[in-house]
Amino acid sequence: DTEVTQTPKHLVMGMTNKKSLKCEQHMGHRAMYWYKQKAKKPPELMFVYSYEKLSINESVPSRFSPECPNSSLLNLHLHALQPEDSALYLCASSPHASGAYNEQFFGPGTRLTVL
Amino acid sequence: DQQVKQNSPSLSVQEGRISILNCDYTNSMFDYFLWYKKYPAEGPTFLISISSIKDKNEDGRFTVFLNKSAKHLSLHIVPSQPGDSAVYFCAASYVHLIRNAGNMLTFGGGTRLMVKP
Repeated sequence: DTEVTQTPKHLVMGMTNKKSLKCEQHMGHRAMYWYKQKAKKPPELMFVYSYEKLSINESVPSRFSPECPNSSLLNLHLHALQPEDSALYLCASSPHASGAYNEQFFGPGTRLTVL
Repeated sequence: DQQVKQNSPSLSVQEGRISILNCDYTNSMFDYFLWYKKYPAEGPTFLISISSIKDKNEDGRFTVFLNKSAKHLSLHIVPSQPGDSAVYFCAASYVHLIRNAGNMLTFGGGTRLMVKP
């Protein structure tokens, strides 16, 4: 298995809803990442998990709550989102926790719409 | 402050010719550079990378050149094919001060490549 999978593919939620995004990789990668991408913009890093521990939080609002239950799975819990949070949410993983030649492999993303 | 810039938002090339996509960066700490290709509604796909200790890396039709003194890199695609039409992102990373914190990628704004048959 050489890919990163994300579910759901599309998600529409109201501002009072609680929902979760799921990301999975079975490549034995040591680091996993959440990115947010708005239309016509590059991906922006949100969180980094290294060896299942949160290592970097890029000042993301608390309405986004990441979780790494095991080395293959990464969740992003969403609560009380705003319409401006609508975006493509991308998950990525890399073989190592740091260093060169540590390419990140991306999933297909979840298209989130907040009404 | 954009640390990685792709100054050409779009590029149109005839099939069979060379496509040259450019990227500039400002942060001297960057030591690893990557190119990703992205189709609409899909995640970025890794294409090719280069370490700062090299000035060229080649993989099939794709070659990346790095000019450290100019803080500039470029991606050459030869020959270009219609299937290469996509948005190309340049990305840069450096080893984080926190050990084993993962590689933080900074992306450029992307260049939309259109290869005409």
